[in-house]
Amino acid sequence: SAVISQKPSRDICQRGTSLTIQCQVDSQVTMMFWYRQQPGQSLTLIATANQGSEATYESGFVIDKFPISRPNLTFSTLTVSNMSPEDSSIYLCSVTGLAGGNGLEQFFGPGTRLTVL
Amino acid sequence: GENVEQHPSTLSVQEGDSAVIKCTYSDSASNYFPWYKQELGKRPQLIIDIRSNVGEKKDQRIAVTLNKTAKHFSLHITETQPEDSAVYFCAASKGSTNYKLSFGAGTTVTVRA
Repeated sequence: SAVISQKPSRDICQRGTSLTIQCQVDSQVTMMFWYRQQPGQSLTLIATANQGSEATYESGFVIDKFPISRPNLTFSTLTVSNMSPEDSSIYLCSVTGLAGGNGLEQFFGPGTRLTVL
Repeated sequence: GENVEQHPSTLSVQEGDSAVIKCTYSDSASNYFPWYKQELGKRPQLIIDIRSNVGEKKDQRIAVTLNKTAKHFSLHITETQPEDSAVYFCAASKGSTNYKLSFGAGTTVTVRA
């Protein structure tokens, strides 16, 4: 099965700074997504990372705060900008369209645990 | 948008008993319903899914049922074991029309030895 990796796995940051999280898949995928999971909570979709074009953001999330890139079919980045303690969360990428699957199955990366002081 | 409700929020069962988690969804256009298991500190793992053209699907001790008319689906775990202890999330999407998943709030399952 495909390997989905994220960097960094965790980080502690100062408020007002920015952090870029990377998501790498070892095979081409159709769709890539970014989710946020606040402590003890469910997963909330931030945006769909579109290859070669601007990401599609969900209600409550904006590009200035969470700029996303997806330069190819295996890689995406999420930046958390101008961070505040409320941004402390786990950020997960997910992918669909892995070879051998049903096309709809969505698999998650290991997540990035972000703490903002 | 899609709203997925999940019950119960916590579930404690004796080892060997069955566990049932129920979810309802609001958007009748949703047609794909996966279930994820998340152990503490780990990523969510897909354990089973069902499409709207199927009423039931089984994989060893895990089964999922779907009632499209009532817009609800359920996860059944039989012969529970301590390693089944985790948080379980249901989700819904419109399949290949829109791959975005809407998640339920999660159910914390504890299997007592």
